[in-house]
Amino acid sequence: DIVMTQAPLSVSVTPGESASISCRSSKSLLHSNGITYVYWYLQKPGKSPQLLIYRMSNLASGVPDRFSGSGSETDFTLKISRVEAEDVGIYYCGQLLENPYTFGAGTKLELK
Amino acid sequence: EVKLVESGGGLVQPGRSLKLSCAASGFSFNDYWMGWVRQAPGKGLEWIGEINQDSSTINYTPSLKDKFTISRDNAQNTLYLQMSKLGSEDTAIYYCALSLAYWGQGTLVTVSS
Repeated sequence: DIVMTQAPLSVSVTPGESASISCRSSKSLLHSNGITYVYWYLQKPGKSPQLLIYRMSNLASGVPDRFSGSGSETDFTLKISRVEAEDVGIYYCGQLLENPYTFGAGTKLELK
Repeated sequence: EVKLVESGGGLVQPGRSLKLSCAASGFSFNDYWMGWVRQAPGKGLEWIGEINQDSSTINYTPSLKDKFTISRDNAQNTLYLQMSKLGSEDTAIYYCALSLAYWGQGTLVTVSS
């Protein structure tokens, strides 16, 4: 199985500042079709996960453009600029390249 | 608006079976892969499996392949998860998802005597 490793486990951010979350995969997530199959989700407290970024750098519908995704074949970054109170929760990266799909352990974002 | 509503969760005794349902609306159900993901209390996300549009391809995470069965009824816009031989390790919130892009609110399954 592809292992997804996130860092840090938690991050504390002052509102209005930026935050970055890293994710590393144990195998390249770059498909031969040129698409990199890494996804980012936010699980707000008491809610189900919501898709933020798909295929490494594509913003999901309705997601503020303060969120952005980037990376290489195995190293990925979610950046949140101008963090707001509504961004609090646990962020997960996931790979949808091959079965079984797998997720990172999550990064908890809190406000200072 | 995409809507996914899971049902069928609850308290179940170890060794018993349980069938979850997911009612879908707001999109053309028979055009999409659907799947299930679970989350044990205080833990991360675990992908269970997925089913394609006409049920000809069903994929599972290997550790659950012999216990869980995914199916769908396109006429009823409903996704199912049949779970058997349940143990305490299966206690979790079970989410259905549209191609892992949209998720339901989840249904809690508690396995305990």
